[in-house]
Amino acid sequence: NAGVTQTPKFQVLKTGQSMTLQCAQDMNHNSMYWYRQDPGMGLRLIYYSASEGTTDKGEVPNGYNVSRLNKREFSLRLESAAPSQTSVYFCASSEVEGSEKLFFGSGTQLSVL
Amino acid sequence: RKEVEQDPGPFNVPEGATVAFNCTYSNSASQSFFWYRQDCRKEPKLLMSVYSSGNEDGRFTAQLNRASQYISLLIRDSKLSDSATYLCVVNINNQGGKLIFGQGTELSVKP
Repeated sequence: NAGVTQTPKFQVLKTGQSMTLQCAQDMNHNSMYWYRQDPGMGLRLIYYSASEGTTDKGEVPNGYNVSRLNKREFSLRLESAAPSQTSVYFCASSEVEGSEKLFFGSGTQLSVL
Repeated sequence: RKEVEQDPGPFNVPEGATVAFNCTYSNSASQSFFWYRQDCRKEPKLLMSVYSSGNEDGRFTAQLNRASQYISLLIRDSKLSDSATYLCVVNINNQGGKLIFGQGTELSVKP
């Protein structure tokens, strides 16, 4: 019963490097989300995809791009990592947009040096 | 002003105590409200929704005060396993992109 799977769990990057965080859900959910969590800030939405084929900016989209590859997969790309992107990243999904029941992945701890 | 504000704590309470957390929100258009629980270094999980008339789930009671724009979570007979961070979540206009999380309130229940 996998739910939401995101990889990698940990990553260390140098400033300027690029990387893609992968996320997949096996619950046939329509909506998927990427959040970042920083101390004292709560979870902030980076991008979301209300349904396959659509993506929208959230509260903090700068420096990120996303791809909704298919209904199951939603990836987050950092094109040129900056120290300000050091954070814990969570992928989440919900049956429909606006549903309060989000299912989260286990998170990715990213450090940018 | 943050859209959703919580006292970060930590709240340190003995087992069996009753503890209450408050959360205030700034957008009067907010339509739905929730509490999530997050264990240390883990992902958040939905604890309960908050209904206008107030609602209870076992030892947990959630209440909403729209006039004053705050919600609360009351935990009775605290257990060691209740130790976690409790996140207040507000949905504006029931849109996926408008789910706003508070920074969380940390609870530590001691023996």
